[in-house]
Amino acid sequence: GENVEQHPSTLSVQEGDSAVIKCTYSDSASNYFPWYKQELGKRPQLIIDIRSNVGEKKDQRIAVTLNKTAKHFSLHITETQPEDSAVYFCAAHPGSSNTGKLIFGQGTTLQVKP
Amino acid sequence: DSGVTQTPKHLITATGQRVTLRCSPRSGDLSVYWYQQSLDQGLQFLIQYYNGEERAKGNILERFSAQQFPDLHSELNLSSLELGDSALYFCASSKTGTEETQYFGPGTRLLVL
Repeated sequence: GENVEQHPSTLSVQEGDSAVIKCTYSDSASNYFPWYKQELGKRPQLIIDIRSNVGEKKDQRIAVTLNKTAKHFSLHITETQPEDSAVYFCAAHPGSSNTGKLIFGQGTTLQVKP
Repeated sequence: DSGVTQTPKHLITATGQRVTLRCSPRSGDLSVYWYQQSLDQGLQFLIQYYNGEERAKGNILERFSAQQFPDLHSELNLSSLELGDSALYFCASSKTGTEETQYFGPGTRLLVL
């Protein structure tokens, strides 16, 4: 069935360092891969997304890369700041469905130490 | 503020009871999604509606049901509640109901005692 594996489950970095979170998906037809950030007690919010016809996308300090052959995608945060501390979720959209259904990874708790 | 509203914010009830969670999508969005987030768990997709019709179903229990009304608001009904149903329930909305940004509401925290 459809599955998204996310690693690591927790990540602690020093302010200014880079952070990388990786996800692997099972459905080779998946075509849309969003990343959501959820601060403590808040709602998930989209921070970046990528579609299957693109290999990389960047937005200021955040970038996402996609390797369709290996069926994995990664979130890269550079020059981390304490306000980047949150839980990050990757997700994949099953490409074969005419729906908006998203399969989420289990989440990565990122802690940025000042 | 995403523009998606959910009520109530908190709900405390007993096992065996039934509750209804309500969601209003962003203006202009036709699709509504329901997700369950248990403690230390990710977001589990429950169900999607598009313009009043069920579009996709996930791991939704038979004790749970949902509907989307003509004004596009949605309700999630949870019945015969069990302790394990305690979770944060999020509603999200999007325009076309396909692969696009989903905007999440603030969630309803359900505690079953």
